[in-house]
Amino acid sequence: SAVISQKPSRDICQRGTSLTIQCQVDSQVTMMFWYRQQPGQSLTLIATANQGSEATYESGFVIDKFPISRPNLTFSTLTVSNMSPEDSSIYLCSVEDLGTGGVWNTEAFFGQGTRLTVV
Amino acid sequence: GENVEQHPSTLSVQEGDSAVIKCTYSDSASNYFPWYKQELGKRPQLIIDIRSNVGEKKDQRIAVTLNKTAKHFSLHITETQPEDSAVYFCAAPDSPFSGGYNKLIFGAGTRLAVHP
Repeated sequence: SAVISQKPSRDICQRGTSLTIQCQVDSQVTMMFWYRQQPGQSLTLIATANQGSEATYESGFVIDKFPISRPNLTFSTLTVSNMSPEDSSIYLCSVEDLGTGGVWNTEAFFGQGTRLTVV
Repeated sequence: GENVEQHPSTLSVQEGDSAVIKCTYSDSASNYFPWYKQELGKRPQLIIDIRSNVGEKKDQRIAVTLNKTAKHFSLHITETQPEDSAVYFCAAPDSPFSGGYNKLIFGAGTRLAVHP
């Protein structure tokens, strides 16, 4: 199973600033996913990051606000830009384990999350 | 795209009782249905999943059932214990045939409280 290291684990930021969240995986993965979990809410997909191409954003999320990098098959960053208090959430990266032996496992593994508070 | 609805939003049971959480999905092509448990302050973790070629799967005290005709699947926890208290999320893949990877759509979550 994939092991994901995400940092920072938490941060308190001033409005108008930006924060970059890093996600490191211990194995090469094709797709990496970034989710947002607002307080007491479910997980909402922000974008899918594929190495070598631009990220694919979900409805309601745009590249200018949430730029994503995917320089290689084990690493990705999500930046939350020009932050406002409404951006206070937990941000999680996720990867899919495609399993071995031709079996499409598709179990999703999550990083420990970044708890962002914007003041 | 896929739409997943989850009920109830909160569930309170006595220790030893059973708990059932239900989800419905909209895309009849969906073929994979995981359940995640998220304890307070921690990441979601997969507890059980089911694929569309089976109707039920068990793992000790937890089980998942799938009704493809009705497009719903349920999580069953028997002999509940206080450590089962957490938020549980169901999920289904959006566009299951898109390039071989699963973009998951999550239900709204169920907060389960097990009282001693």
